[in-house]
Amino acid sequence: DTAVSQTPKYLVTQMGNDKSIKCEQNLGHDTMYWYKQDSKKFLKIMFSYNNKELIINETVPNRFSPKSPDKAHLNLHINSLELGDSAVYFCASSQGTGDQETQYFGPGTRLLVL
Amino acid sequence: GQNIDQPTEMTATEGAIVQINCTYQTSGFNGLFWYQQHAGEAPTFLSYNVLDGLEEKGRFSSFLSRSKGYSYLLLKELQMKDSASYLCAVRDSNYQLIWGAGTKLIIKP
Repeated sequence: DTAVSQTPKYLVTQMGNDKSIKCEQNLGHDTMYWYKQDSKKFLKIMFSYNNKELIINETVPNRFSPKSPDKAHLNLHINSLELGDSAVYFCASSQGTGDQETQYFGPGTRLLVL
Repeated sequence: GQNIDQPTEMTATEGAIVQINCTYQTSGFNGLFWYQQHAGEAPTFLSYNVLDGLEEKGRFSSFLSRSKGYSYLLLKELQMKDSASYLCAVRDSNYQLIWGAGTKLIIKP
């Protein structure tokens, strides 16, 4: 059983295109996250959702928009893709934002913009 | 600004012990996490410290000193499968996780 799943695993696309990455968790967690990990391996939080409400919205370009149809899903839509968007995008989930909440990560989506 | 510092890369020998240090400067502190990330894979949780002292979990231990803004991850009886990146992350006063760039650990036979 996959706890946090993402699709697609690999995504190669042209500049200017619009694409979506899907994420689903079957852990019953309340909070889901999107991270971007660039070539320098820094993990940068992009968004998090708690019970379908956005609770963290970092200073990411508004070309990126999270969409959560329900508590188990948090999809990432990207408009007008740019070369600098090439990175690995990880979805994660946690039970809450309390003291010992552990984040469980999906396998990542490797995005390459040409 | 907020900052997490870790060595970029370390090398150790199979069967030995290695200590990976992490220093942090954040706006507030609400816990420190260590995650392991194998190449091409997702990070996985290793340990959590919120009080000063040592937390032991099998071959891995994590230490925290809040007054010094310092933590380390200690790996004993190193195995080849321990070759990975080790990420230090601190939760700040807003409960946001601030991540370090990770330490790439190379294990040699």
